[in-house]
Amino acid sequence: EVQLVESGGGLVQPGGSLRLSCEASGFTFSSYWMHWVRQGPGKGLMWVSRIYTDGSRTDYADSVKGRFTISRDNANNTLYLQMNSLRAEDTAVYFCARGAAVGTGLDAFDIWGQGTMVTVSS
Amino acid sequence: DIVMTQSPDSLAVSLGERATINCKSSQSVLYSSNNKNYLAWYQQKPGQPPKVLIYWASTRKSGVPDRFSGSGSGTDFTLTISSLQAEDVAVYYCQQYYSTPYTFGQGTKLEIK
Repeated sequence: EVQLVESGGGLVQPGGSLRLSCEASGFTFSSYWMHWVRQGPGKGLMWVSRIYTDGSRTDYADSVKGRFTISRDNANNTLYLQMNSLRAEDTAVYFCARGAAVGTGLDAFDIWGQGTMVTVSS
Repeated sequence: DIVMTQSPDSLAVSLGERATINCKSSQSVLYSSNNKNYLAWYQQKPGQPPKVLIYWASTRKSGVPDRFSGSGSGTDFTLTISSLQAEDVAVYYCQQYYSTPYTFGQGTKLEIK
């Protein structure tokens, strides 16, 4: 079964750090762009970051640039999001999502995890 | 950044009737070299992650009921549900994947009238 499972969320104080993980199974993880998307409480979806198959290219939303770092471990089929200098406005459910297979350009998100909740509060 | 604007924000439709959701992008998401619109539609039910319904603006994902269809090109797009079923109650989002930052519309909440 094709699956993504996030972990690592929790309660953190403003200015703190957290690392999210997303474990992939059922597909060739190293062949796909991977993304993080977040959804604030009662809010819409916001794309956060993406990473190329081999990790050589990354992109970020302006609101997290310089604070968040996306990375991947293809040997262990795991995607990460290191979040530093967290702010109250980063409070959200964070989803990992599968994007384009290499060479297809189809970067719609066809597989999503269930999400992990991050709460930034004192 | 490409701004995606959906209309309406909410919609109530009777069972069996047609539902139409519109999405407008602030710039074209049509890539001229392959003539494809980099536009997807998602459905999100409460407590669940989004699920992709349509990509390339009009290609239905395998397994998605054929009552869902997408149309449009350039900057104006439409998601149509031809005959609303109870299980279609959800929030629907359009998204452009033409350029980063990828952006979503604000969502349209679809309910039963």
